[in-house]
Amino acid sequence: AQKVTQAQTEISVVEKEDVTLDCVYETRDTTYYLFWYKQPPSGELVFLIRRNSFDEQNEISGRYSWNFQKSTSSFNFTITASQVVDSAVYFCALFFSGGYNKLIFGAGTRLAVHP
Amino acid sequence: DTGVSQDPRHKITKRGQNVTFRCDPISEHNRLYWYRQTLGQGPEFLTYFQNEAQLEKSRLLSDRFSAERPKGSFSTLEIQRTEQGDSAMYLCASSLGSSTLSGNTIYFGEGSWLTVV
Repeated sequence: AQKVTQAQTEISVVEKEDVTLDCVYETRDTTYYLFWYKQPPSGELVFLIRRNSFDEQNEISGRYSWNFQKSTSSFNFTITASQVVDSAVYFCALFFSGGYNKLIFGAGTRLAVHP
Repeated sequence: DTGVSQDPRHKITKRGQNVTFRCDPISEHNRLYWYRQTLGQGPEFLTYFQNEAQLEKSRLLSDRFSAERPKGSFSTLEIQRTEQGDSAMYLCASSLGSSTLSGNTIYFGEGSWLTVV
């Protein structure tokens, strides 16, 4: 079965703190893609990153970084020096082959960054 | 801005009425998706088009739901005889894919909120 688990329902931090959002996935496919999206109160899902299953290099983009570990089936997301504008719901999602052209989303983690 | 566009953004309807949502994908994107999202949950897949062909439908898509993409460009999602359980946000997304294995970036619109009273 294909599944994405985001165990943290809500996280609350104070501005400038670092925060890590966890994502664990399940799939039998060897070829798959993992995504992170941000959903601010407006509702739009904003694409943050896509990673394919053959590329385990960690990635950094400004204050954002991602740690992909196939051994533990995890794709965690870290925000360094968080800001109030980072407050949103963050979704991890799995896209897999085998004829299924769809994203499987986790339940999301609501991040609240307080001044 | 050439992102995914959805209309209307908000719709309130009485139970039993029909509603239709429109989605304009990013220009030249051949893949189009519809998802549904309820409060506190992640989006759930509803259906998928490759050009004008509807290639996959979720079991969530009951007979009251129908989606079309007549010319491989914009798409409509119609819900007939709406029920209170249909209240949700309906998200459209698009991507440019050349094969089934292609996991190209999927871009989402702002969603259409449906409230059935």
